[in-house]
Amino acid sequence: DSGVTQTPKHLITATGQRVTLRCSPRSGDLSVYWYQQSLDQGLQFLIQYYNGEERAKGNILERFSAQQFPDLHSELNLSSLELGDSALYFCASSVSGGYGGELFFGEGSRLTVL
Amino acid sequence: AQSVAQPEDQVNVAEGNPLTVKCTYSVSGNPYLFWYVQYPNRGLQFLLKYITGDNLVKGSYGFEAEFNKSQTSFHLKKPSALVSDSALYFCAVRDASDSWGKLQFGAGTQVVVTP
Repeated sequence: DSGVTQTPKHLITATGQRVTLRCSPRSGDLSVYWYQQSLDQGLQFLIQYYNGEERAKGNILERFSAQQFPDLHSELNLSSLELGDSALYFCASSVSGGYGGELFFGEGSRLTVL
Repeated sequence: AQSVAQPEDQVNVAEGNPLTVKCTYSVSGNPYLFWYVQYPNRGLQFLLKYITGDNLVKGSYGFEAEFNKSQTSFHLKKPSALVSDSALYFCAVRDASDSWGKLQFGAGTQVVVTP
């Protein structure tokens, strides 16, 4: 158990809909990362927050947004969903924002768009 | 920008034999290097990392990795593989000069250990 909690574990929805994925980082970790894992794209970095502020942005679509709240939990919002958004979405956390600190991953939220 | 290459999609090894999973990287500055393992329907688990110091890094479950700066490689090794080592292995790199730099993952290598 990494200490990172993600909900929901599974989500099935239709094209055009909007979903919210939630992540609670390990106790004491200030940084939260979101990754998307799909068969064709591999593990893609989406966005990183540190203590409530956005710190790094990757290949995140404009239809996607995220935020980190004062209690350090984070939410990833996916809107106008397309079939290609079906993937496993991982949240990870670390104590600091970068340098040599390893990331601790949650179990992921599997999104299926029909 | 940093990048990671894992040249083998799959590595097959018999139980008890040595296991090697290859990784090469590219960064503009010095690298921070990581190995993670993913079991089916699970999140990624941290195995080991190289930050600085000794080029041979020891990690969890008997795994080790050797940092080779001249060859820009960070191969993962285990002297004697177990069936339970069958999983998807990811190499990752971060540029040490970029404090907020993202952790770039390779495509992953599927390890299959047969009894």
